[in-house]
Amino acid sequence: ETGVTQSPTHLIKTRGQQVTLRCSSQSGHNTVSWYQQALGQGPQFIFQYYREEENGRGNFPPRFSGLQFPNYSSELNVNALELDDSALYLCASSHTSGMYNEQFFGPGTRLTVL
Amino acid sequence: DQQVKQNSPSLSVQEGRISILNCDYTNSMFDYFLWYKKYPAEGPTFLISISSIKDKNEDGRFTVFLNKSAKHLSLHIVPSQPGDSAVYFCAASARASGGSYIPTFGRGTSLIVHP
Repeated sequence: ETGVTQSPTHLIKTRGQQVTLRCSSQSGHNTVSWYQQALGQGPQFIFQYYREEENGRGNFPPRFSGLQFPNYSSELNVNALELDDSALYLCASSHTSGMYNEQFFGPGTRLTVL
Repeated sequence: DQQVKQNSPSLSVQEGRISILNCDYTNSMFDYFLWYKKYPAEGPTFLISISSIKDKNEDGRFTVFLNKSAKHLSLHIVPSQPGDSAVYFCAASARASGGSYIPTFGRGTSLIVHP
């Protein structure tokens, strides 16, 4: 069974640029969520996709957008990068978006915005 | 405003003793609670969960207790082992408008178990 993978591992961008982060879900999982984890904080929910449709969104501006593909891999896109976007971005997959949705996390992508 | 609070940033325990990690929440709509463990350079790993209809759930050395009236849950690890040294996140879920359950995470507690 393949776990959740994310790419790239690290990324450095400058303010105003755009970035795309990628995630490959665990086999058999149809739900993917993205989180932002700033230093010293817990993961903060960005949005969730279930069967290619966004079905939940946290308190993040529209310049944070995503996609889920038919094979359940997904992307997180961030436009007009700001310094405060520097964080660890975590992807998590689960077999359901319902109550018992224990999530399996990838190792994260560390984004630095200069 | 933090809806899930882990007020102890760190906890140090001797091997073989009990570790107790605490978590408080403010949203009475939360009805499913989870604990995750995170090692450096890895993503969080699911540890144990409890639904609001229960007050205790055990899995081996790990037990989660839920006190709904106090809006408080705790994770007990007995006996603690050096391999348990990690950051522990408490998370609470409520049903969102779209029908999905979205977890809200606390800031984490760093547990160090000394040999």
